[in-house]
Amino acid sequence: EVQLVESGGGLVQPGGSLRLSCAASGFSFSNYEMNWVRQGPGKGLEWVSYTSSGGNTIYYADSVKGRFTISRDNANKSLYLQMNSLRAEDTAVYYCARGIGDYDAFDFWGQGTLVTVSS
Amino acid sequence: QSVLTQPPSVSGDPGQRVTISCTGSSSNIGAGYDVHWYQQLPGTAPKLLIYGFNNRPSGVPDRFSASRSGTSASLAITGLQAEDDANYYCQSYDVSLSAWVFGGGTELTVL
Repeated sequence: EVQLVESGGGLVQPGGSLRLSCAASGFSFSNYEMNWVRQGPGKGLEWVSYTSSGGNTIYYADSVKGRFTISRDNANKSLYLQMNSLRAEDTAVYYCARGIGDYDAFDFWGQGTLVTVSS
Repeated sequence: QSVLTQPPSVSGDPGQRVTISCTGSSSNIGAGYDVHWYQQLPGTAPKLLIYGFNNRPSGVPDRFSASRSGTSASLAITGLQAEDDANYYCQSYDVSLSAWVFGGGTELTVL
């Protein structure tokens, strides 16, 4: 069974940093592209970042470019999101989501971890 | 303001058919990029409902179907059931933004 479990969320002050983790199991992690998608309180879904299966190709949404860094550890089947210079508008539930190889879609999602940026 | 436009809400009686539209532009749906649909029940993570040209992941009933034309796409749900009460999101890729993009979501209420 495919499982994605996020952790690392919490309350942080504006300008602060946080590192999210996503532990994968039940599939060959190193063969899949991975993404972070977020959802602000009462809002819709927003794609945040993408990494290829090997971690060599990375993309970011303009809203987080230069502040967030995605990375992965295929040996430990883990995905990460380092978030710096956090702003109030980054407050959201952050989901890690597996990419489908031949489609630009996300076929499995974690349960999400809540990040709250507030003083 | 989402790149893909969906109606905020739709409703229907049990057993009826409802459709949810998703309007994009020439840089996403109109450029030929696939449209995918997700269902999100309250308090849970999104679940992939349909991907590509009407492909359903295992376990998704064939009451759910999708179509597209030009710069728009639609999700149809037939034989509406109480368990279909949820938020639905369309998603595609936008070549101008170099980003995966979502619609703002549609809240489906089963009356």
